[in-house]
Amino acid sequence: AQSVSQHNHHVILSEAASLELGCNYSYGGTVNLFWYVQYPGQHLQLLLKYFSGDPLVKGIKGFEAEFIKSKFSFNLRKPSVQWSDTAEYFCAVNALSNFGNEKLTFGTGTRLTIIP
Amino acid sequence: NAGVMQNPRHLVRRRGQEARLRCSPMKGHSHVYWYRQLPEEGLKFMVYLQKENIIDESGMPKERFSAEFPKEGPSILRIQQVVRGDSAAYFCASSPAGGQPQHFGDGTRLSIL
Repeated sequence: AQSVSQHNHHVILSEAASLELGCNYSYGGTVNLFWYVQYPGQHLQLLLKYFSGDPLVKGIKGFEAEFIKSKFSFNLRKPSVQWSDTAEYFCAVNALSNFGNEKLTFGTGTRLTIIP
Repeated sequence: NAGVMQNPRHLVRRRGQEARLRCSPMKGHSHVYWYRQLPEEGLKFMVYLQKENIIDESGMPKERFSAEFPKEGPSILRIQQVVRGDSAAYFCASSPAGGQPQHFGDGTRLSIL
């Protein structure tokens, strides 16, 4: 069974600081990888996804993530954060094995607080 | 273009009552997923359905929980004889096909008195 680890539970940064949130997964086969964001009081929104191809993927709002297969990692980055990036960020993996295995396995989330 | 619609947003039940949570997928989406989020935890997969079929229910508790996605109407997550431990946020997601990104609803926050 697959699992996802997000080691940073709560990150506090000042505006304009650079951001990197860690995500590691455990699964020996092919995976799809996702980052979702949940703004206060809102539903989860897809930030970016990796299915195949270029391991550096760009998402909305200036976010990007790099898939490093050898490290089983999919870290989220943003060069300069804004106050509006305050939210909870979830990494998720979808293991591609048998038909019907469409479930997403989520990490426990990282709460990001940006100080103006 | 309406997103995934869940209702109610908040549901309060007493122990032993039944809870029914509804989810209408995005237009054109025929795959529905239910997840549960306990306080301070990430989302945990419960069940994956297509129209009139349960595809994967490996995350569903063995008792008291059931889900359906009928030919007409929303998907329903039903919890019978609720207990305090069922208090959580329940999220529904939908996708147009397998392997596509899932779009989430606002969730239903279930509180058990």
